[in-house]
Amino acid sequence: EIVLTQSPGTLSLSPGERATLSCRASQSVSSDYLAWCQQKPGQAPRLLIYRASSRATGIPDRFSGSGSGTDFTLTISRLEPEDFAVYYCQQYGSSPYTFGQGTKLEIK
Amino acid sequence: EVQLVQSGAEVKEPGESLRISCKGSGYSFTSYWISWVRQMPGKGLEWMGRIDPSDSYTNYSPSFQGHVTISADKSISTAYLQWSSLRASDTAMYYCARGRYSSSSALGYWGQGTLVTVSS
Repeated sequence: EIVLTQSPGTLSLSPGERATLSCRASQSVSSDYLAWCQQKPGQAPRLLIYRASSRATGIPDRFSGSGSGTDFTLTISRLEPEDFAVYYCQQYGSSPYTFGQGTKLEIK
Repeated sequence: EVQLVQSGAEVKEPGESLRISCKGSGYSFTSYWISWVRQMPGKGLEWMGRIDPSDSYTNYSPSFQGHVTISADKSISTAYLQWSSLRASDTAMYYCARGRYSSSSALGYWGQGTLVTVSS
């Protein structure tokens, strides 16, 4: 089973700032099948990025993903008020699929 | 429009059985695996397993194998998650989800969630 470790656990930033979230895998993620999703309180998760760097339909271009193998990054170029939420990485390249423990992005 | 609509909240006692559902619409139900994801109160997401509705082949996370059963009825485009004997630790929100662009792609369509509360 691939273990995903996200850092930091909590990130405190202000609107307009740049956010960089990390996801490290315990072994190489097959075909870079690494996704990022956003979850707000009381809502289901929303897919942002798939296959490490492809934005899902309708996702603003301030969200970008990068990385390959075992190290992946989600970058939000300029934070909007609606971006403060919890972010999870997920690998879907091998079973069992696994999620990281999440990074909470909070307003400073 | 692709939709996954889940059954309503449940309150059960330890030891009871339960089946919750997830109905797909707006797409060919048999063309996409359905996954189930658990979220315990205040915690992160955990992938439980998935089913291929075309032939009911299942694949479980070792963490959940043997405690839950995933099934599907393709005639009514519905997937199920069931327990034969609930524990208090099963209290959680449960989501169904499917791949966004293909059966093997990232989970991009999600149900609204079913809250299961197990308490005596």
